[in-house]
Amino acid sequence: EVQLVESGGVVVQPGGSLRLSCAASGFTFDDYTMHWVRQAPGKGLEWVSLISWDGGSTYYADSVKGRFTISRDNSKNSLYLQMNSLRTEDTALYYCAKELRYFDWLSLFDYWGQGTLVTVSS
Amino acid sequence: EIVLTQSPGTLSLSPGERATLSCRASQSVSSSYLAWYQQKPGQAPRLLIYGASSRATGIPDRFSGSGSGTDFTLTISRLEPEDFAVYYCQQYGSSPPHTFGGGTKVEIK
Repeated sequence: EVQLVESGGVVVQPGGSLRLSCAASGFTFDDYTMHWVRQAPGKGLEWVSLISWDGGSTYYADSVKGRFTISRDNSKNSLYLQMNSLRTEDTALYYCAKELRYFDWLSLFDYWGQGTLVTVSS
Repeated sequence: EIVLTQSPGTLSLSPGERATLSCRASQSVSSSYLAWYQQKPGQAPRLLIYGASSRATGIPDRFSGSGSGTDFTLTISRLEPEDFAVYYCQQYGSSPPHTFGGGTKVEIK
């Protein structure tokens, strides 16, 4: 059974930093591109970032480019999101999501975690 | 960046009725790379449809997708109680960023 479990969400002040983690199990982690997708309270979905199966390619939404860094450790079946220079508009539930097809990065998500809440507030 | 506009914002229907949800793109979606997700309160989204019309694994056949180019439709043939939720369309493909529509809430009338 595929499981994605996010952690690391807390309340942080504007300008602060945070690192989110996602522990994956139930599939061959290093065959799949992984993503972060966020959802502000009461709002819609926003794709944030992706990292290819081998970590060799990364992409970011314009809203986080230069502030967030995605990474992965295939030996630990884990995905990360380093978030710097946080803004109030980054407040959201952050989901880790798995790409549908292996060795691809179409941003088609077949499994999602339950999310971890990041609140940016003074 | 492709902008996806979903309509209506809210659809009020009764169980057993047919639901028709629309998703319009600001430019043509290549290769019909259009997906639909369902999200219930307190839950993560669930993939329903990809490639505009292909059902994901385990999705009942009362859910169907159609369309191409800039106009896409999700149809739920007969609403079951568990179908009342928010539905998002999403364009995907090899060149990020990949955007979602604003969502359509299907509520019980």
